[in-house]
Amino acid sequence: EPEVTQTPSHQVTQMGQEVILRCVPISNHLYFYWYRQILGQKVEFLVSFYNNEISEKSEIFDDQFSVERPDGSNFTLKIRSTKLEDSAMYFCASSERTLGGELFFGEGSRLTVL
Amino acid sequence: DAKTTQPTSMDCAEGRAANLPCNHSTISGNEYVYWYRQIHSQGPQYIIHGLKNNETNEMASLIITEDRKSSTLILPHATLRDTAVYYCIVPPREYGNKLVFGAGTILRVKS
Repeated sequence: EPEVTQTPSHQVTQMGQEVILRCVPISNHLYFYWYRQILGQKVEFLVSFYNNEISEKSEIFDDQFSVERPDGSNFTLKIRSTKLEDSAMYFCASSERTLGGELFFGEGSRLTVL
Repeated sequence: DAKTTQPTSMDCAEGRAANLPCNHSTISGNEYVYWYRQIHSQGPQYIIHGLKNNETNEMASLIITEDRKSSTLILPHATLRDTAVYYCIVPPREYGNKLVFGAGTILRVKS
């Protein structure tokens, strides 16, 4: 069964460092998403991406965050200067279509900022 | 999102049916009801969705009331591996597939 894959599974970084989280969505999917979940809290929407541009973003997704689809297969989330409060699980998801289509999530990347 | 209300937690005996309720009284006529689950901090997993009619797939059944103000997710023969947080989500139509996760229902399947 096709799946969304994410790397790394766990990254530890120092505050202020740049981090790039990578995702390989399901190959025929056109819509891509990043969510995050701080330990013990709800899963939060960060950003959606379609046709090489952001279609929607939350208030969490500030100037420190960016997304990119550099090569037609990978979908990346970059955090430019990490803060302690960026420590969370980051989930990538993809879907084949919007409106009535289900999202397929990866297993997540755990980011720990020290 | 149309507000959804779910019980905080439920217990179910292994092998029995788990019936998870959800209220979504402000749902609009063209909004779908989605169910996802999250097993121990893994990525959320899609289970099922529906608009008006009852739906069934290999994982579960979804029963939507005629007025669409509530729904029930049914896991027909719950196993220990079904222990998870179950989310009922009604995304506004204009937001496409942007899902807003609430606290969900913690389902504990016990042997």
